[in-house]
Amino acid sequence: GNSVTQMEGPVTLSEEAFLTINCTYTATGYPSLFWYVQYPGEGLQLLLKATKADDKGSNKGFEATYRKETTSFHLEKGSVQVSDSAVYFCALSVGPYGNNRLAFGKGNQVVVIP
Amino acid sequence: DAGVTQSPTHLIKTRGQQVTLRCSPKSGHDTVSWYQQALGQGPQFIFQYYEEEERQRGNFPDRFSGHQFPNYSSELNVNALLLGDSALYLCASSRDGRTDTQYFGPGTRLTVL
Repeated sequence: GNSVTQMEGPVTLSEEAFLTINCTYTATGYPSLFWYVQYPGEGLQLLLKATKADDKGSNKGFEATYRKETTSFHLEKGSVQVSDSAVYFCALSVGPYGNNRLAFGKGNQVVVIP
Repeated sequence: DAGVTQSPTHLIKTRGQQVTLRCSPKSGHDTVSWYQQALGQGPQFIFQYYEEEERQRGNFPDRFSGHQFPNYSSELNVNALLLGDSALYLCASSRDGRTDTQYFGPGTRLTVL
């Protein structure tokens, strides 16, 4: 089936540190890949996406590259801020429609300390 | 331009009761998907509605049903509530034929006692 695996556990780091959150996937066909962010008490917001191999999604200083050879879509940011504290979800979408069901990972809580 | 809206914000029910959650999609969107997010977990896909029909369905029992209206708004119904149905229910809308971007509402927090 189609699934996403995110690294275990919360991530705690200092302001201006480098952030990496690992995401690997298993999918039949050619999925689109996404990172969503969820701030406390809110719904999910699309952070970035990539629809084919070697595409790089980017937004607000975050980047992720679609790596077909390693089935990965790791999220990176060079210098985090306190306002980046949130839960980050990796997700994939694959299927016959223009918009298909999303399969999410378990999420990673990111806490940025001033 | 209003985004995806959901009502109510919070809801408390007891086991065995029935509940209806509502969703209005973003302007211009015609497809609505519903997700269940248990505490500390990622969202799980329940089903998707397009042209007033259920087009895709996840691994949820028949107690979960839905409806889409001609104005594209949608309802999620859950019958015979169980304690395990306590979760945040998220609605996402999108425009059919577009590449996969779904926009989420703030969710309805359902607590089953």
